[in-house]
Amino acid sequence: KQEVTQIPAALSVPEGENLVLNCSFTDSAIYNLQWFRQDPGKGLTSLLLIQSSQREQTSGRLNASLDKSSGRSTLYIAASQPGDSATYLCAVRRNTGFQKLVFGTGTRLLVSP
Amino acid sequence: EAGVAQSPRYKIIEKRQSVAFWCNPISGHATLYWYQQILGQGPKLLIQFQNNGVVDDSQLPKDRFSAERLKGVDSTLKIQPAKLEDSAVYLCASSLLRNQPQHFGDGTRLSIL
Repeated sequence: KQEVTQIPAALSVPEGENLVLNCSFTDSAIYNLQWFRQDPGKGLTSLLLIQSSQREQTSGRLNASLDKSSGRSTLYIAASQPGDSATYLCAVRRNTGFQKLVFGTGTRLLVSP
Repeated sequence: EAGVAQSPRYKIIEKRQSVAFWCNPISGHATLYWYQQILGQGPKLLIQFQNNGVVDDSQLPKDRFSAERLKGVDSTLKIQPAKLEDSAVYLCASSLLRNQPQHFGDGTRLSIL
């Protein structure tokens, strides 16, 4: 059974800092890994999707890496801004069966001005 | 393009009552998902539809939860009777095809008294 863990559970940083969010998963037989953002009272917004054959994906100030063999992914946020404050969730999709998304518990990020 | 629409946004009921949630996916999206997100946790897939057929309902508590997707478009999720542990946000998502990126609605927040 796939289990996804995110560390830390919460993070508070001053504006302008670079930061790293961590995601680990127990079963390396994945199809892809996705990072989402969730604002309070809202649904999930997809940030980055990394296919199992890829090592990283970049979008603006965000960079996500994937090390499938060690079961780890990181989300790097450069020059953080107060608008980055949200909960960040990673999710993995298996490469067999119904290929459903299995989510981590999320990292709650607060960026202070 | 219009996003995934869900209603109601909030619902408060007493335990043992029944409740229903409605979801209208993005037009043309064949796959529809219902997730349960308990406070402080990541979303958990309850049921996945491909058009109007069920693909995966392995984590749906079938003694009290039911879902349908008539005509392969809108979907309803029902809980009868509700228990205290059903307090959560119920998220609906849709995707063009099964392994395509999922688009989420803002969810229905259910409180059981």
